[in-house]
Amino acid sequence: AQTVTQSQPEMSVQEAETVTLSCTYDTSESNYYLFWYKQPPSRQMILVIRQEAYKQQNATENRFSVNFQKAAKSFSLKISDSQLGDTAMYFCAFHSPNQGGKLIFGQGTELSVKP
Amino acid sequence: DTAVSQTPKYLVTQMGNDKSIKCEQNLGHDTMYWYKQDSKKFLKIMFSYNNKELIINETVPNRFSPKSPDKAHLNLHINSLELGDSAVYFCASSPDLWGGYTFGSGTRLTVV
Repeated sequence: AQTVTQSQPEMSVQEAETVTLSCTYDTSESNYYLFWYKQPPSRQMILVIRQEAYKQQNATENRFSVNFQKAAKSFSLKISDSQLGDTAMYFCAFHSPNQGGKLIFGQGTELSVKP
Repeated sequence: DTAVSQTPKYLVTQMGNDKSIKCEQNLGHDTMYWYKQDSKKFLKIMFSYNNKELIINETVPNRFSPKSPDKAHLNLHINSLELGDSAVYFCASSPDLWGGYTFGSGTRLTVV
């Protein structure tokens, strides 16, 4: 069975600095997707970034980028120039179409950006 | 125009009651889901439907019954509510089984 592990329950960063959130996963699938979702206090689930496993190039979205290490089954999220609005819970998630479309989430990392 | 809308946003009810949460999506997606977020914020899938057909039923108690009257709606009915059912329930949809999720804003259910 697939599992997703986020080993950092809480992290904090100063405004304008860079922070990296860790995520590891376990799967025997070869074709899958990985996601980072942001959940601010409003509880809305917001897609931050998505990575297809067959793509070697790391995904980037403005200040957000990932370090995808397929062999190591690692998928970390780097947030550059952190802003107060980045304060939220961040979830790493695994998806395989062979699993009926479901997302398997990690436990989450609560990120606080301090002024 | 909200893409995935859930009603109600908040629900407080007594143990033993029966309640429903409704979900509607206007994205034309084929697949809809229910997820439960517990008090530790852990998210786990409960059900998924693809074109009104049940695809996933993830060891959820029989007291939970999803109903999909059409592709755009997936409702969740809960019988005999228990304290442990208190959680945030998220509806989501995707165009197919390949992802591209859109989440609703969640329903916070509190059983007292």
